[in-house]
Amino acid sequence: EIVLTQSPGTLSLSPGERATLSCRASQSLSSIFLDWYQHKVGQAPRLLIYAASSRATGIPDRFSGSGSGTDFTLTISRLEPEDFAVYYCQQYGSSPPFTFGQGTKLEIK
Amino acid sequence: QVQLQESGPGLLKPSQTLSLTCTVSGDSITSGSYYWSWIRQPAGKGLEWIGRIYTSGSTNYNPSLKSRVTISLDTSKNQFSLNLRSVTAADTAVYYCARQHYGDSGYYLDYWGQGTLVTVSS
Repeated sequence: EIVLTQSPGTLSLSPGERATLSCRASQSLSSIFLDWYQHKVGQAPRLLIYAASSRATGIPDRFSGSGSGTDFTLTISRLEPEDFAVYYCQQYGSSPPFTFGQGTKLEIK
Repeated sequence: QVQLQESGPGLLKPSQTLSLTCTVSGDSITSGSYYWSWIRQPAGKGLEWIGRIYTSGSTNYNPSLKSRVTISLDTSKNQFSLNLRSVTAADTAVYYCARQHYGDSGYYLDYWGQGTLVTVSS
């Protein structure tokens, strides 16, 4: 089973600041298999980034993804009030389970 | 616009079977390039991938749940379902259904239902 470890667990920032979220895999992954989701309380998770660096339809360009191998990053260049949420990475490696990271909570400072 | 909607009982007793249905609109569950998936989130915890089914009926399950889980398709109703047997309090969670795209561009969950809370309590 591939374990995804996200850091930090909680990130406290102010609107307008830059957010950098990390996702580390326990074994090397093809970039095509790494995605990022935003999850707000009471809502369905929303796809932000697929294949490590491709923005999903309708996602603002302040969201970007990068990385390869075992280290992946989600960057939000300038935080907007609506960006404060929990962020998860997920992997589709060679076999199930297709695990999620434990999440990073982005909160307003 | 693709939409997914979960339905099913919200309260179960231990040892019962959890049965949820996901109704899909705006797309056919028999169309190619998609898996139909279930994910859950226990209160205060992260997301857990439960399993998925392809249009052919082939399935993949989380090994931690495999002995208790069945996912099936009902093509006549454009629905897919989750059955989880012998539930315990640990199965209390919000359950989501989702469409998983797969292909050269990537593997990702692009449409999700709103989620349904299932509570297991005696």
